[in-house]
This record gives sequence, structure tokens and C-alpha cells, in this order.
Amino acid sequence: NAGVTQTPKFQVLKTGQSMTLQCAQDMNHNSMYWYRQDPGMGLRLIYYSASEGTTDKGEVPNGYNVSRLNKREFSLRLESAAPSQTSVYFCASSHRDRTTDEQFFGPGTRLTVL
Amino acid sequence: QKEVEQNSGPLSVPEGAIASLNCTYSDRVSQSFFWYRQYSGKSPELIMSIYSNGDKEDGRFTAQLNKASQYVSLLIRDSQPSDSATYLCAPRADSWGKLQFGAGTQVVVTP
Repeated sequence: NAGVTQTPKFQVLKTGQSMTLQCAQDMNHNSMYWYRQDPGMGLRLIYYSASEGTTDKGEVPNGYNVSRLNKREFSLRLESAAPSQTSVYFCASSHRDRTTDEQFFGPGTRLTVL
Repeated sequence: QKEVEQNSGPLSVPEGAIASLNCTYSDRVSQSFFWYRQYSGKSPELIMSIYSNGDKEDGRFTAQLNKASQYVSLLIRDSQPSDSATYLCAPRADSWGKLQFGAGTQVVVTP
């Protein structure tokens, strides 16, 4: 099992460009999440999907859109990138019914917007 | 005011000593609490979860929870250089598993 995979690992964009970050999990989890991590700020939730077919805003959704393509895949789209979106992006998944409710994280995408 | 506050670091700990990490949270309805470890340049991984008041031990790690004081802590006994990482406190209040992460405390274990 690969767990949670993310592509790409690194990306440099110019202001105004668009891109989609891909995330997939092979653990049959119901819930998936997108976080961004900035120095000194911990992880902040951008969007989440409690189950296939549903998505909801998190703490910092502005400038982003998401698609829960199927149970396995959850993508994050930046329509018009801004320097403030320079960050490390983590995708995570969890099986809400499990007692531990552990979130499993992907390796991250390091995005720089010039 | 931050909703989840952790010790500001870095916390320097001699090898073999106890590292003590503190976390306070503002949301009184939080019911589940998680500690994640994150090595530099890597993704977070769960090391402890605690749901009830009191202590929970798992190997060299002990989590302590006091919901009345809105306080959760993590003790690392017999600290090893491999424990050098950032530790993230994450209460969960939401029924859909949304976590609220603190900024983290960096621990540096010195030989």
C-alpha cells in the first residue's frame, strides 16, 4: 500500500498561473483533507471532504477550489496563484469510524509562487 | 488569540532526560486530542491520541489530559536524538474529524 500520494513534489509558478495538486489514497478512507503549512503557523485546513461527493471549506479556503473525484482522489486547484500561496501543501485522509481517527498525511507539495 | 497554543521552542533536552511539551486549547467542546511528530522536511505522523482525563502511556511517551483546565501535555522519557522533531498538538472538536493544529514545539535532543 502506498498510503497517501501527492503530485507534484515541487512546483514553481508565476503570479496568475493556475495549477492542480493531486492527491490519492489507497486505504479506503472516507475523509480527505488539504492543509497548508507555513513557518510558525502550524497546519491550517484549506478544504475537506467528509465523504465521497461532499466538500466543505476549512479555515483558509480563499483562492482555492477542490474536487473529490472519487473515494480515492481529492484535488486542490489554484486558479490564479499569488505569492501569498507560497507554502507546503499536505493532503491527508482518515477513516472517520475508526476509534483512533488517525489522519495519514502525504509527503507534501512544496509550492513557490514568484 | 490562538485557539491552540504550544510552548515556543526550540526545547533543548539532554539525551536521556524527559522532554515536557504543553498545549492549551480554547474550544471547550474538544473531545479528542492528538499529538503528531514532524521531522524536518517530512509530513506529520501520529504518535499519541488521548480521549479521557488522566494519563495515557505508550512506550516512552505519556500524554496527559485535563479537560477542565483545557490542557494537554506530552512527556517523552529517556529522550533520544531520534526524538528531535517538531511536535504538533491537535484537538478535535468537530464530528467530521477536523483537527485544529497548534504551531508546534521543536525539540532538540543533545547527546
